[in-house]
Order: sequence, then C-alpha cells, then structure tokens
Amino acid sequence: GAGVSQSPSNKVTEKGKDVELRCDPISGHTALYWYRQSLGQGLEFLIYFQGNSAPDKSGLPSDRFSAERTGGSVSTLTIQRTQQEDSAVYLCASSFRQGNQPQHFGDGTRLSIL
Amino acid sequence: ILNVEQSPQSLHVQEGDSTNFTCSFPSSNFYALHWYRWETAKSPEALFVMTLNGDEKKKGRISATLNTKEGYSYLYIKGSQPEDSATYLCAPQTQGAQKLVFGQGTRLTINP
Repeated sequence: GAGVSQSPSNKVTEKGKDVELRCDPISGHTALYWYRQSLGQGLEFLIYFQGNSAPDKSGLPSDRFSAERTGGSVSTLTIQRTQQEDSAVYLCASSFRQGNQPQHFGDGTRLSIL
Repeated sequence: ILNVEQSPQSLHVQEGDSTNFTCSFPSSNFYALHWYRWETAKSPEALFVMTLNGDEKKKGRISATLNTKEGYSYLYIKGSQPEDSATYLCAPQTQGAQKLVFGQGTRLTINP
C-alpha cells in the first residue's frame, strides 16, 4: 500500500499476557518511529530506527518493552507481561530519511489491557 | 524534558471565520518545528516542517509562521470549513535528535 500500515487495528488482552504490534512503513523509508498516546496524554515517543538499528530507545518506558526492525522494513513492538497502564493507542510513523523530514503515520493499534 | 505548550487547548469557531493558535517551545538547540493535523479516527497528517527563523509556510487556507529566537509558532486557518475540525499538534525537533516531542494539541471545532 501507499501508506504506513499497522496491525492489528485493535487488540484486547488480559493483564500479564505478551502482545506484539506490527508496523509496515512506506516503501523506501529508512527511518521508522513508534509513539503512543495514553488516555488524556499527548503523543509520546518510544523508539526510533534508522535501517535495522535503533539509535534512540530513550522513550521505552520499561524493560518489558522491546522493538525490532528487519530487512530495513517491517518493525514489531513487543510488550511482555502487559499491565493496565500499557493501554494506549500505539502509532508507527516512517520518514524518507533522517533529518527534518515529515513523519508519516499509520492508523495505530488501540491496545486495551483488561 | 522539552516543554511544549499549545494554546488554547480547545477552540470553537464559526464556519467562515478565521482563527489562529500558538505553539511555544524552548528556543535552545532548535532544529525544526513540525505541525500535524489529527482528525478523529484517522492518522496524524503532516502539515508543515519549518526550520528557519521567520519562515512562513502555506497550504491552501492554512499557514504557519516561525520564530526560533523566542520559541513560538503560529498556525492560521483562513475561512474555516467543517473539514478543518481536528486536533492540531506541534512538535519541535532538537539538534541531533530524530524524535518529535508533541504538545497536547489544540482541538478545533468548526460550527456550521
């Protein structure tokens, strides 16, 4: 497709389970970002990839969160032992390259932890 | 932590009226200022990336100005239409960083 694709669009899971969120960036975009928006909060940065490496992981809230990117394309964000405070909309974005480029966002995954 | 403030938090405007709102950010280590429009049930849409002091960008009825010395940007909408209803987000980017630090946004509602 032409835009950033995220799956699933909605995920409901029980506290303590692991979840995996997927992002397929725009073809040819080398930079990929994960953000999240918790209820009542602004968009919060999680992690940035350039190619397959992650030079900035400063936004990951705990060691339960991890992300990887393979083939310079698809990225997965994994949350282990989910907690209720992990409930949020998780957004992925990509840009053509690093620098002052616009970031193009997907529709997000709405994660609800029961 | 970068402190980004947007005002007002919400705004109701009559269709056809013009409006504007503000983004304030730290002026030190400035690299770029991004504006996004986020409509309900859609993904955030990039409006502008601004880098130079005094920069002015325009896209249709929407325009933005930038003052990097004092750390603020204005977004203007001329002749508001119902489709302009959205949350408008600004996000500064500092030197050496790729991440965007978003403000809380201005929620704009256009009344027909």
